Amino acid sequence: GAGVSQSPRYKVAKRGQDVALRCDPISGHVSLFWYQQALGQGPEFLTYFQNEAQLDKSGLPSDRFFAERPEGSVSTLKIQRTQQEDSAVYLCASSLRTANTGELFFGEGSRLTVL
Amino acid sequence: QKEVEQDPGPLSVPEGAIVSLNCTYSNSAFQYFMWYRQYSRKGPELLMYTYSSGNKEDGRFTAQVDKSSKYISLFIRDSQPSDSATYLCASIKAAGNKLTFGGGTRVLVKP
Repeated sequence: GAGVSQSPRYKVAKRGQDVALRCDPISGHVSLFWYQQALGQGPEFLTYFQNEAQLDKSGLPSDRFFAERPEGSVSTLKIQRTQQEDSAVYLCASSLRTANTGELFFGEGSRLTVL
Repeated sequence: QKEVEQDPGPLSVPEGAIVSLNCTYSNSAFQYFMWYRQYSRKGPELLMYTYSSGNKEDGRFTAQVDKSSKYISLFIRDSQPSDSATYLCASIKAAGNKLTFGGGTRVLVKP
């Protein structure tokens, strides 16, 4: 496709369940980012991949959050033992460049609701 | 205190008016400055991008950065109802990989 694709668009999980969120970046884009956006807030950085290498995971809020991009294209964000505070929109973004100047292409997000 | 601050609004203007949006930031290392537009239940899309201080114009949009006062502005001329959205300012360090966003300002343009 032409843009960044994320699935599922909506996910409802019971507290304690594991969830997996998928991101298909724009073909050929080297850099991939995950952001978390709480209701009424701006996106907050979670993690960054350059090809298959996870170069920065400083924004992951706890060890329950895990991201991977094994072949340098599709990425998965996994949240284990979900908590209510994990409810947010999870945005994936990609960039053609390795040097990040902030020109990111975002997907529409995966909206997670934890009951 | 957040590194990038925005008034959350909402900012309501009549169609055809100029929309004026502002952000302040605290990190002197920020070198690149962006404005993203986000429609409801959509992802952010890049509107304007500037490097260091100065002005940049693109159609109805003008972005200004004043690094001496750590102030970022976006002006939208001849506003349209389709401009109704949340506007996010963002900044990043040179050679950085972490884009820092403000909280967003919601704009309503009334016909």
